[in-house]
Amino acid sequence: GAGVSQSPSNKVTEKGKDVELRCDPISGHTALYWYRQSLGQGLEFLIYFQGNSAPDKSGLPSDRFSAERTGGSVSTLTIQRTQQEDSAVYLCAVGGLSSGELFFGEGSRLTVL
Amino acid sequence: SQQGEEDPQALSIQEGENATMNCSYKTSINNLQWYRQNSGRGLVHLILIRSNEREKHSGRLRVTLDTSKKSSSLLITASRAADTASYFCATDPSSTLGRLYFGRGTQLTVWP
Repeated sequence: GAGVSQSPSNKVTEKGKDVELRCDPISGHTALYWYRQSLGQGLEFLIYFQGNSAPDKSGLPSDRFSAERTGGSVSTLTIQRTQQEDSAVYLCAVGGLSSGELFFGEGSRLTVL
Repeated sequence: SQQGEEDPQALSIQEGENATMNCSYKTSINNLQWYRQNSGRGLVHLILIRSNEREKHSGRLRVTLDTSKKSSSLLITASRAADTASYFCATDPSSTLGRLYFGRGTQLTVWP
């Protein structure tokens, strides 16, 4: 939605494998957020980028999770040595400062077997 | 937790009826927002109400905010089957840079 593209839309992986999730927003949004949504739950904040830097990464659940952003645009969320509890929908959003609202992508559904 | 908490967790009504969802939160806020999520999709922003506003309208949506009670309500009038979705409130606390805190949502089902 609203110019935020996420890929893959669905990913099934085996426990212990690494996965990369990509967020490709339209240009002009300096703020970028990653959230996680487990089945039937609300959104859990993971990390926030302002430009290419991450002033708030307090929501990353463990050191297996990392994220980067390059060129003030594309962001990648990497999960190493995936566990079954990592299964969730990972949502990327942009915006949030001047306008106050967030524009979300459709999410990447991760299933760890 | 700074999260908004929606109430009820689930709401089932007939088309044409009004749907009211409530949200409570714990800390001071810059604004409060409501989002909608259709099954398997991303969230879509519905409406934002600032801390100095008490009521806001957008089409069939009416949002109220009571900062003294730290609560908000979302009213959908003359509901339609297409309104079936999960609705989330999100708070923007004064102390953070644009990070929103989401509740668990209200699952609204509108029967035709």
